[in-house]
Amino acid sequence: EIQLVESGGDLVHPGRSLRLSCSTSGFTFDDYAFHWVRQAPGKGLEWVSGISWDSGFIIYADSVKGRFTVSRDNDKSSLYLQMNSLRPEDTALYYCVKDLRSRVAATFDWWGQGTLVTVSS
Amino acid sequence: NVMLTQPRAVSESPGKTVTISCTRSSGNIGSDYVQWFQQRPASSPTTVIYDDKRRPSGVPDRFSGSIDTSSNSASLTISGLRADDEADYYCQYYDRTSRIVIFGGGTRLTVL
Repeated sequence: EIQLVESGGDLVHPGRSLRLSCSTSGFTFDDYAFHWVRQAPGKGLEWVSGISWDSGFIIYADSVKGRFTVSRDNDKSSLYLQMNSLRPEDTALYYCVKDLRSRVAATFDWWGQGTLVTVSS
Repeated sequence: NVMLTQPRAVSESPGKTVTISCTRSSGNIGSDYVQWFQQRPASSPTTVIYDDKRRPSGVPDRFSGSIDTSSNSASLTISGLRADDEADYYCQYYDRTSRIVIFGGGTRLTVL
């Protein structure tokens, strides 16, 4: 059974940092690209970042570029999102999302349950 | 940036058919694949259509996707509506030129 389990969400002050993790199982992790997608409370879906199977191709939404860094550890079957200089508008449920393909095609086929990040003073 | 526009809400009766549109503001709708996601209340999204019209395993054939280049839009059609189809539906595509992923604003489907 495919499982994507996010962790690391927390309440933090503006300007602080946070690192999200996504632990996976049930498939061959390094066969697929991955993404982070977020959803602010009561709002729609917003794509954050994508990373190819080998970390050779990485892309970001303009809203997080320069502040967030996506990475993966294929030996640990895990995906990460380092979030710096956090802002109140980063408050959201962050989903780890598996791509159907090894390259970044944004053909999402499996979503985690999400981890909540709240940025507030 | 290119936008995907969806109706905010649609409603229909059980057993009927509903179609949700997703209009691309610029560029050719057929140049990049469109995906559709269902998000039930308090749940994670799930994929119901990928690559314009393909269904993941486990998604019933009541769900179908299509592309209309004349209106530059994609559509999700759900037939034989059931109460548990009530959810938010999002369209999405990957703009390979700009290297960004775009979601539509979402459509709330109410099954009356």
